[in-house]
Amino acid sequence: KNQVEQSPQSLIILEGKNCTLQCNYTVSPFSNLRWYKQDTGRGPVSLTIMTFSENTKSNGRYTATLDADTKQSSLHITASQLSDSASYICVVYGYEGYALNFGKGTSLLVTP
Amino acid sequence: GAVVSQHPSWVICKSGTSVKIECRSLDFQATTMFWYRQFPKQSLMLMATSNEGSKATYEQGVEKDKFLINHASLTLSTLTVTSAHPEDSSFYICSARPQGQGYVGNQPQHFGDGTRLSIL
Repeated sequence: KNQVEQSPQSLIILEGKNCTLQCNYTVSPFSNLRWYKQDTGRGPVSLTIMTFSENTKSNGRYTATLDADTKQSSLHITASQLSDSASYICVVYGYEGYALNFGKGTSLLVTP
Repeated sequence: GAVVSQHPSWVICKSGTSVKIECRSLDFQATTMFWYRQFPKQSLMLMATSNEGSKATYEQGVEKDKFLINHASLTLSTLTVTSAHPEDSSFYICSARPQGQGYVGNQPQHFGDGTRLSIL
């Protein structure tokens, strides 16, 4: 069964600090990996999409990395802001059907 | 661009009531829309895939007679929870994939803001 595992489950950091979220997956064959930000009570918003051949992609203070060999991805947040408090979801798309494989997310809380 | 609007955002109703949730792509056409359900602190779970002009494809374990999906146009899909009961209370989210943007695997999915359904 295709799985997407995220760690840590939750994280608390001080405003201004950096943090890195992890995503390991077993989805195979692999098409692309996406990171989404989901604010409480809202729908997910796409941060990055990376295909097999891409190792890193940035979107402002968010930088995602991908190692397709080890099936690992990370999302690095630089100089965190209070508005970064949200759930960050790793989603992996395989070639079978249209379904996306969702991780359970990492809940990030940025405190003053 | 690529805005998906979901309505209503929050609904509270009595057990036995049927509830309709709308999902609209505001600035693009979507051949395919997806309906998800999300419980607290859990990941999104795909309920069904909705294709314009054809029957929806339901995931295993999702009752098609309970969750009626209609995708009547390229910008609108509806999910009707029939005879809702407290166990149907959840956060329902739709997403839409723009029409004709290359290989389906690399196409983005744009999510609505979700509908919080509470059945008393």
